[in-house]
Amino acid sequence: QVQLVESGGGLVNPGGSLRLSCVASGFTFSDYYMSWIRQAPGKGLEWVSYIAGSGNTMYYADSVEGRFTVSRDNADNSLYLQMNSLRAEDTAVYFCARDTVPDSWGQGTLVTVSS
Amino acid sequence: QSVLTQPPSASETPGQRVTISCSGSSSNIGSNYVNWYQQLPGTAPKLLIYRNNQRPSGVPDRFSGSKSGTSASLAISGLRSEDEAEFYCAAWDDSRSGVVFGGGTKLTVL
Repeated sequence: QVQLVESGGGLVNPGGSLRLSCVASGFTFSDYYMSWIRQAPGKGLEWVSYIAGSGNTMYYADSVEGRFTVSRDNADNSLYLQMNSLRAEDTAVYFCARDTVPDSWGQGTLVTVSS
Repeated sequence: QSVLTQPPSASETPGQRVTISCSGSSSNIGSNYVNWYQQLPGTAPKLLIYRNNQRPSGVPDRFSGSKSGTSASLAISGLRSEDEAEFYCAAWDDSRSGVVFGGGTKLTVL
């Protein structure tokens, strides 16, 4: 079955950087778009970014454009999110998800931006 | 402010039926499929309904989805206490080139 396991979250100072990872299994990774979706504490779901299966097309929400970079390594079935210039409002659980309108989700990794 | 509009809360007694609405526009629900997700506290969202009205394997037929125009609905019949959760609708948005979500509906089984 589909499994998505995120890692890399933690506490970071405003203006700092963090790299999230997601390892996928149970499906042909390169066949699927992959997404990052976040959920601030006590709030709803917000799409962050997605990347095509080939890795040649990426889109970002306006709130993270220019600060976050999504990438993937199909040889390792891995998805990444490089987050720079982090702000307090980026504090959230970040979910890795399969497809643009997700059909499977990871368990999430918590990113806290605070001094 | 979420792009898709859901009521913030819903409640009903065990065994009864409840419906949760999701309102959008021509660029999202009006022209694309709707998914519904169930999120239990402290867990990841779980796909409940896809392509407006399809259930993934393992989802009971007590859960059903429908769509008409720029609105969609999730119905849950034979309510059980374990159905208490947050429910989200989602759809692709052509003008944003991304998925948009409803703000979530917290279901309480009284």
